[in-house]
Amino acid sequence: AQSVTQPDIHITVSEGASLELRCNYSYGATPYLFWYVQSPGQGLQLLLKYFSGDTLVQGIKGFEAEFKRSQSSFNLRIPSVHWSDAAEYFCAVVPSNTGFQKLVFGTGTRLLVSP
Amino acid sequence: EAGVTQFPSHSVIEKGQTVTLRCDPISGHDNLYWYRRVMGKEIKFLLHFVKESKQDESGMPNNRFLAERTGGTYSTLKVQPAELEDSGVYFCASSQERGDTQYFGPGTRLTVL
Repeated sequence: AQSVTQPDIHITVSEGASLELRCNYSYGATPYLFWYVQSPGQGLQLLLKYFSGDTLVQGIKGFEAEFKRSQSSFNLRIPSVHWSDAAEYFCAVVPSNTGFQKLVFGTGTRLLVSP
Repeated sequence: EAGVTQFPSHSVIEKGQTVTLRCDPISGHDNLYWYRRVMGKEIKFLLHFVKESKQDESGMPNNRFLAERTGGTYSTLKVQPAELEDSGVYFCASSQERGDTQYFGPGTRLTVL
């Protein structure tokens, strides 16, 4: 079945540590790829997106993600976690076979930051 | 430029009552989407408007849900009558063109008691 998988439900890291949040998708054709973040009490904010071209994508707040076609992955990297990064992170795709319309989300990864 | 706004931010109603959620998209965005996150589950697509027309309503759970976008500006999502399983966070998003980045509102948290 076509889906987006975020295998880590919760992750706890220390402030200053680096982190990679995993995302895999199962679609035949490469979809558009996104990472969104939802901070407590806030809406969903776009971090970065991949449509085509350079497979290493830079986003806001120093975040980056790398598209790997061979692994059907789009993992998010946080070089140095700050306490304000504590939030829930969602990987999402827009499948090409839906006419590039609706987003399909993973279940989210909740990031906790310890001092 | 104002972002996507949603009203109310929270709503608590009794089972069997009616609730109407409102979404104001970013000005000039023809595409408007509704999504829902039931607690503990993933965010799921409900429907997509292009201007005032429903482009895709394949995600609407049942006929207790009615979405409208009169005039192609703001949209409403009515739940009538509400059931317990309708509780969750309802997100609205908009984009300028189909396939463009979707910008999300803060969501409406609906609790049905």
